Amino acid sequence: AQSVTQPDIHITVSEGASLELRCNYSYGATPYLFWYVQSPGQGLQLLLKYFSGDTLVQGIKGFEAEFKRSQSSFNLRKPSVHWSDAAEYFCAVGLGGNNDMRFGAGTRLTVKP
Amino acid sequence: GAVVSQHPSRVICKSGTSVKIECRSLDFQATTMFWYRQFPKQSLMLMATSNEGSKATYEQGVEKDKFLINHASLTLSTLTVTSAHPEDSSFYICSARALSQPTRSNEQFFGPGTRLTVL
Repeated sequence: AQSVTQPDIHITVSEGASLELRCNYSYGATPYLFWYVQSPGQGLQLLLKYFSGDTLVQGIKGFEAEFKRSQSSFNLRKPSVHWSDAAEYFCAVGLGGNNDMRFGAGTRLTVKP
Repeated sequence: GAVVSQHPSRVICKSGTSVKIECRSLDFQATTMFWYRQFPKQSLMLMATSNEGSKATYEQGVEKDKFLINHASLTLSTLTVTSAHPEDSSFYICSARALSQPTRSNEQFFGPGTRLTVL
């Protein structure tokens, strides 16, 4: 079955430390891949997306993600986390055709001073 | 560009009443709009997909008679929660796919969400 897995429910990092949020997908073909961020009580903001081409994708707010076909992964990274990055992060997969998008369970990021 | 608004942002209603939530694409035309539901500390679950001028397609387990969706124009979709009950309390988020986007791009632009509380 098609699925999106974010194995880490909650991650805590110190401000200034590097960050990697994991995302794995299960899908028959290469899907369209997205990372969104959600602050409490807010909607979703697109950080970055991958459709094709260069597998290292740059996004907003200093985030990047790398698509690894062999691992069915699309992990999100940031070299130095800021306190304002504390939020919920969702990986999503676009399934094509009917334009459905499926979301992972989310990873909550806490940033320690 | 690609801004989606939702109204209201918060609504509290009594059990048994109906509530309408609007989703508007402000600066683009949306061929398809999506409605999601999000419980506290959980992910978004797709409820239904609506295309302008046609009936919405509901996900399995979503009651179409309870969650009425109307997509009357290329910039407006509405979700009406009929005879709301406390278990319908949730965060409802809409998204829209732009008419101008390539068919397979799948990118959706999300509204800020509506917090529904049913007493």
